[in-house]
Amino acid sequence: GEDVEQSLFLSVREGDSSVINCTYTDSSSTYLYWYKQEPGAGLQLLTYIFSNMDMKQDQRLTVLLNKKDKHLSLRIADTQTGDSAIYFCAESFDNTDKLIFGTGTRLQVFP
Amino acid sequence: EAQVTQNPRYLITVTGKKLTVTCSQNMNHEYMSWYRQDPGLGLRQIYYSMNVEVTDKGDVPEGYKVSRKEKRNFPLILESPSPNQTSLYFCASSFALTQYFGPGTRLTVL
Repeated sequence: GEDVEQSLFLSVREGDSSVINCTYTDSSSTYLYWYKQEPGAGLQLLTYIFSNMDMKQDQRLTVLLNKKDKHLSLRIADTQTGDSAIYFCAESFDNTDKLIFGTGTRLQVFP
Repeated sequence: EAQVTQNPRYLITVTGKKLTVTCSQNMNHEYMSWYRQDPGLGLRQIYYSMNVEVTDKGDVPEGYKVSRKEKRNFPLILESPSPNQTSLYFCASSFALTQYFGPGTRLTVL
């Protein structure tokens, strides 16, 4: 079955890099996503990676995918207080728009 | 502006009192779905719809109903709400494997 795990909390100092990790069990996923949820708001798509890619970079965000270990990570460079939020990884599968979400990681950025 | 809207944003109700949470999208998407978000569990899919008059159960459908009479609307119905349905609910529509989420509805059932 599908299972996506994340650590619950991460605390970093402003200006440092943040790395949020995600592990999943179903290797047949097509795309893997990172969503951001700010307090009181819905989910905002940050970035996604196709399952046959290893890395994707988008400005301050770097996504790394290790298919062998079923491990996905999101690195945020030069973390700012505005990056404080809950981050969800998610996976989707062929021919379906259904997303399987991780448990979410709450990122706290302190000055 | 392309968006998914939900109403109400906040709702406090009592056990057994039927309620409906509306969801509407203006992007002409065929696929729509409902999720609930609970601490430590992430988001879990309740129901989804691949097109008008086509709906199916997600992972946690018990206690919920949906309908899809028009492409743009996908209401979530709780016929007899119970306290374990207290949660944060999100509607989403999607196209080309990209999902767009509504702002959420925080429901409390007393």
